[in-house]
Amino acid sequence: QSVLTQPPSVSGAPGQRVTISCTGSSSNIGAGYDVHWYQQLPGTAPKLLIYGNSNRPSGVPDRFSGSKSGTSASLAITGLQAEDEADYYCQSYDSSLSGSMVFGGGTKLTVL
Amino acid sequence: QVQLQESGPGLVKPSQTLSLTCTVSGGSISSGSYYWSWIRQPAGKGLEWIGRIYTSGSTNYNPSLKSRVTISVDTSKNQFSLKLSSVTAADTAVYYCARGIREDWNRYYFDYWGQGTLVTVSS
Repeated sequence: QSVLTQPPSVSGAPGQRVTISCTGSSSNIGAGYDVHWYQQLPGTAPKLLIYGNSNRPSGVPDRFSGSKSGTSASLAITGLQAEDEADYYCQSYDSSLSGSMVFGGGTKLTVL
Repeated sequence: QVQLQESGPGLVKPSQTLSLTCTVSGGSISSGSYYWSWIRQPAGKGLEWIGRIYTSGSTNYNPSLKSRVTISVDTSKNQFSLKLSSVTAADTAVYYCARGIREDWNRYYFDYWGQGTLVTVSS
């Protein structure tokens, strides 16, 4: 069981908007630690998608956005494209686990 | 452009020690405020952080694996390594090495990842 909780799957039609939630606790997200998001295309390594809750690395389309509030965070994808079909993971830091990095269980995005 | 590449045996027998090395290219492993991590992913499952090392030698490990994990760094070779002892079938996974950044007291993330290497634990 993952420290951060994500829905196992979400889906949407091309052009639509989808959101993926990431729920933590008072020892990680709620303690003020930033949330980061990774995209994992089939058969490849994870790639940094959003860092520091809402910042996009160079090259990431502005269709991807992130936000954080309280003990939760969200990833939003607008203008859904077939190439967005992938697994998405949130990640943060947990002060109660000897300084551990923690991940969500991952969310499979299906583009219908 | 920083690149990371994992290497090591793809098959390890139960009860033995899994050993992997990550070679960093495109930059010095000693430069900047980075830490170097190992992360694994069993087939069809999510990501699990194993541990990290700073080039000072300071380490942090996942409490669930701490008793079996050792991460070390060799700055002369621009490499860092993972040893996981007493492996079982549950340790079968794709193992990734990654570069971590600490930008503030509350911001820790991974900006570069290796391609991953599959390690199977089987007799």
